[in-house]
Amino acid sequence: EVELIESGGGLIQPGRSLKLSCLSSGFNFADYAINWFRQAPGKGLEWVGFIRPKSYGGKADYASSVKGRFNISRDDSKGIAHLQVKSLKTEDTAVYYCARGRYYISTSGLYWGQGALVVVSS
Amino acid sequence: DIQMTQSPSSLSASIGDRVIFTCQASQDIKYSLNWYQKKSGQVPKLLIYDAFNLEPNVPSRFSANVSGPTFTFAIDSLQPEDVASYYCQQYQSLPLTFGGGTKVEVK
Repeated sequence: EVELIESGGGLIQPGRSLKLSCLSSGFNFADYAINWFRQAPGKGLEWVGFIRPKSYGGKADYASSVKGRFNISRDDSKGIAHLQVKSLKTEDTAVYYCARGRYYISTSGLYWGQGALVVVSS
Repeated sequence: DIQMTQSPSSLSASIGDRVIFTCQASQDIKYSLNWYQKKSGQVPKLLIYDAFNLEPNVPSRFSANVSGPTFTFAIDSLQPEDVASYYCQQYQSLPLTFGGGTKVEVK
């Protein structure tokens, strides 16, 4: 059974950095792209970015709204993806989800983690 | 970025009603569209992929179609458990983008 578990959320001050992790199980992590999404309180879903599997180049791409501050990486040996966020802003407050699609390079969310709440506040 | 426009942003209907809402892309996205259901406090659920294909185990009262630039999502015979927000998402080109959502409530 495909399982994704996010960790690393919490209360953090504006301007600080944060690293979220997405631990996988139940599938060959190295074969699949991993997407990150978020939902701010009272707002809609937003795609944050994704990282391709190394067999497709391993490159990450990002939403325009987060490019330059967000960095997605992966450790295939541990089956973990990371989302690093620099210079946090109050508008980054959201539940962050990692998700995997059906296909290796999919940018859809078929399997989701339970989400990690990030609250940016002083 | 491709803009996705969903309408209406919310609707209220009675149990058993047929509910329809739409999503329009600012550029041609072919059939590269997903529909998600997001219930309060729950993880998003993929209902429809490739514009009109129902995910396995999704009730058949959910359906979707496309006509020109307009994608439609329908719920036949609205049920209490369908109360949720529904989002379209294009994956024709990066960055992926979502519509603003349609919140479905029961009268």
